[in-house]
Amino acid sequence: QVQLVQSGAEVKKPGASVKISCEASGYTFTSNGMHWVRQAPGQRLEWMGWINAGNGNTKYSQKFQGRVTITRDTSASTAYMELSSLKSEDTAVYYCALGATVMKAWGQGTLVTVSS
Amino acid sequence: EIVLTQSPGTLSLSPGERATLSCRASQSVSSIYLAWYQQKPGQAPRLLIYGASSRATGIPDRFSGSGSGTDFTLTISRLEPEDFAVYYCHQYGSSNTFGQGTRLEI
Repeated sequence: QVQLVQSGAEVKKPGASVKISCEASGYTFTSNGMHWVRQAPGQRLEWMGWINAGNGNTKYSQKFQGRVTITRDTSASTAYMELSSLKSEDTAVYYCALGATVMKAWGQGTLVTVSS
Repeated sequence: EIVLTQSPGTLSLSPGERATLSCRASQSVSSIYLAWYQQKPGQAPRLLIYGASSRATGIPDRFSGSGSGTDFTLTISRLEPEDFAVYYCHQYGSSNTFGQGTRLEI
């Protein structure tokens, strides 16, 4: 069955960058896309961007454009999300989610804490 | 950006009762681009409904979705104990945005 396994929790200082991985199994990685969505404490889900795992094309939310980079390694069936210039407001759980449009399956989430 | 507003914020019901959750969009959303997710504490969201009314794989038929334009509804016909959770609507026709969630509590 489809599984998305994300890397572990991170603690970062303001201004730093974080890179989260999402290893996929149970389906053909390059035949699908991968979204990245975050959820700050008590807040609604927030879409950050998406990658076509086949050709590497990306789409980003305007809110995060210039600060977020989504990549993939097809040999490892893994997608990555890097967020730079971290601020305390970036403290959130970050999820990867499989799909071209709708989000069919989700990783377990990675907590990123930004604190000085 | 399309803003999704869910109501009510919290819905208190008992097992066996019917739940009706609403999602209103600030602009018209093509019904093929409206989804619903369930999230339990400490877990990732789970896809329930896509295309406004199609159930995702493995979702029981007590869950149903309807609506068009700017008004969409998720109905749970007879609540089971495991249905008490937070529910989010999601539009994916114009970028991606989510509602603020409805908490369904006993």
